[in-house]
Formats: sequence, C-alpha cells, structure tokens
Amino acid sequence: QVQLQESGPGLVKPSETLSLTCTVSGGSINSYYWSWVRQPPGKGLEWIGYIDDKGNTNYKPSLESRVSISVDMSNNQFSLSLRSVTAADTAFYYCARQATAYDALDIWGQGTMVTVS
Amino acid sequence: EIVLTQSPDTLSLSPGERAILSCRTSQSVWRRYLAWYQQKPGQAPRLLIYGSSNRPTGIPDRFSGSVSGTEFTLTISNLEPEDFAVYFCHFYGTSRTFGQGTKVDVK
Repeated sequence: QVQLQESGPGLVKPSETLSLTCTVSGGSINSYYWSWVRQPPGKGLEWIGYIDDKGNTNYKPSLESRVSISVDMSNNQFSLSLRSVTAADTAFYYCARQATAYDALDIWGQGTMVTVS
Repeated sequence: EIVLTQSPDTLSLSPGERAILSCRTSQSVWRRYLAWYQQKPGQAPRLLIYGSSNRPTGIPDRFSGSVSGTEFTLTISNLEPEDFAVYFCHFYGTSRTFGQGTKVDVK
C-alpha cells in the first residue's frame, strides 16, 4: 500500500528556510495531488498547500509569499520550502495525498517535528 | 475564508456510549467538501469520513457523518477503547481549513 515519509532537518534557525521532502512508496506520484499540513504541538491542523503531478500548486493565502512546493517525478518525491521562518513556524509537518484538488486527505505521512530556534 | 467551529472542546464518555461531535461552518458549504479525521497522540490524522457521510474502506460502521444546514455531525456509536482520541473536521473546497478539534476522553 502507499506510504508517505517526511524527511528533513529538525532544527532551523530564525530567518532561514525550512526544507522538507516527502517520499512516496508503494505507488506512483502520478495522477494524485500532494499536500503539506502542519500542526504546532498541542494545537490544531493548518493546511499549507498542494501540488499536482503536473506541478500546479495552490497555497494558503497567508503563507503564499513564503512557501513553495515542488515535485520530483523521477524520485517519487515532493518537497516543501518555507522561507524566513520564525518561532511561529515550529510544528509537526505532515505530507498527505488527495485524489483530486477537491478531495479529502486519504493517506498521511507520520509527520516530522521542525523547531525554529 | 470559511471558519469551522467544533463543539464541544472535550467530550467525556465511557466505552459503549455514543459520541456526537459537531462542526459548524461560518457559511453554507457544499456537503461534498467536508471530512472528519481521527488523531491519536503521536500519530498522524486518519481519514474517517469524506463528503460529509462517506466512509473509506476499512473504517468501522460505528463512525457516521451527517449534515443539517451548516452543522456537520460525526457520530460514534458504541465507543470502543481505541476511539478515545481527538477529532478534526476539514473543509476542502475553494478555501481549506480545519476545525480546532474535539477531544473524546474517558469519563
């Protein structure tokens, strides 16, 4: 079955760029949409954005100026880049799959904690 | 932006009881774009309901979703020990947002 695994640094300095990668295994990255969601410890979920297999993106408006999501079809991966981070960006970051732009997130990665300090 | 307000914040129940969780939207939305997730400590969310009332394969039928106007409801009939968790609603239409969560804990 399809599995997602996040990877990247667990500690990022303020004003620098947070970079995470999600590796998709057990299935192809083709024909799906791929999202990033984050969750500050003990708090709720926040959708960050998604990318499709053609490279089309959609971002949360309040994050759009700082976020980029890209896809690497050859390695079955997609990535998140969040620039100019502050302590408010400290959170668990999850990658997730959706069948189309307007579908629920049916498969999630286990999440990775990123601390900005 | 659509705002989702979940209630109650915490629901204290015993195994075998029924849980009724509410998610109100700030404006009328198409029911097709509302999902519910379950999250246990240290785990990623798990999709329970999509399109307001549809269960993915593998989700027990004690979980059900319904809607009336701008109020979406997740019902868990006959709570099992593994159902004590936090539940989030999620709107995935033109704007995308989550509710703040309802924690179902043991009374």
